[in-house]
Amino acid sequence: AQKITQTQPGMFVQEKEAVTLDCTYDTSDQSYGLFWYKQPSSGEMIFLIYQGSYDEQNATEGRYSLNFQKARKSANLVISASQLGDSAMYFCAMRPMFSGGYNKLIFGAGTRLAVHP
Amino acid sequence: EPEVTQTPSHQVTQMGQEVILRCVPISNHLYFYWYRQILGQKVEFLVSFYNNEISEKSEIFDDQFSVERPDGSNFTLKIRSTKLEDSAMYFCASGLDTDTQYFGPGTRLTVL
Repeated sequence: AQKITQTQPGMFVQEKEAVTLDCTYDTSDQSYGLFWYKQPSSGEMIFLIYQGSYDEQNATEGRYSLNFQKARKSANLVISASQLGDSAMYFCAMRPMFSGGYNKLIFGAGTRLAVHP
Repeated sequence: EPEVTQTPSHQVTQMGQEVILRCVPISNHLYFYWYRQILGQKVEFLVSFYNNEISEKSEIFDDQFSVERPDGSNFTLKIRSTKLEDSAMYFCASGLDTDTQYFGPGTRLTVL
């Protein structure tokens, strides 16, 4: 079964500190993609970062990096130098390539991050 | 920066009525999607669309739902006879390839 697990319903971090949001996934596919999205209180879904299962390097986009550990089936999001505007819900998602279709994203339940001044 | 747009931002309808949710994907994108998020729950995939046809749909996407790309720029989701449980935020997404999916701001559908 394809599944994404985010075990931290809520996290808080001090402004300017780094924070790691956990994500583990379950798939029998050898090839898949992993995504992180941010959902502020306004409701939109903002694409943050993508990691392909065959990518050798961990993905980075500005202050966001993805700590990809394939053997452990984890794809944790690291936000460096947190800002107040980072307070939001964060969703991890997986795109399986073969089983269950290769277009859809399967989402986790999300982690609500609060950045404190 | 180009973005996906959706209209309306909020739609209120009576149970049993038809609704059409509209999306304008990013112009050079080839893959189009609809997702929904019931309040407080996970985002759920509904349907994907490529090359003018549905490429994949979930079990949620039953005969009450349909999608269209009527004019090469708009991408619509129609719900033929709405039910109370259709109340949710509906997100359109588009991607140039299957490694990216950019979401629109969503349409909040309330069925009374």
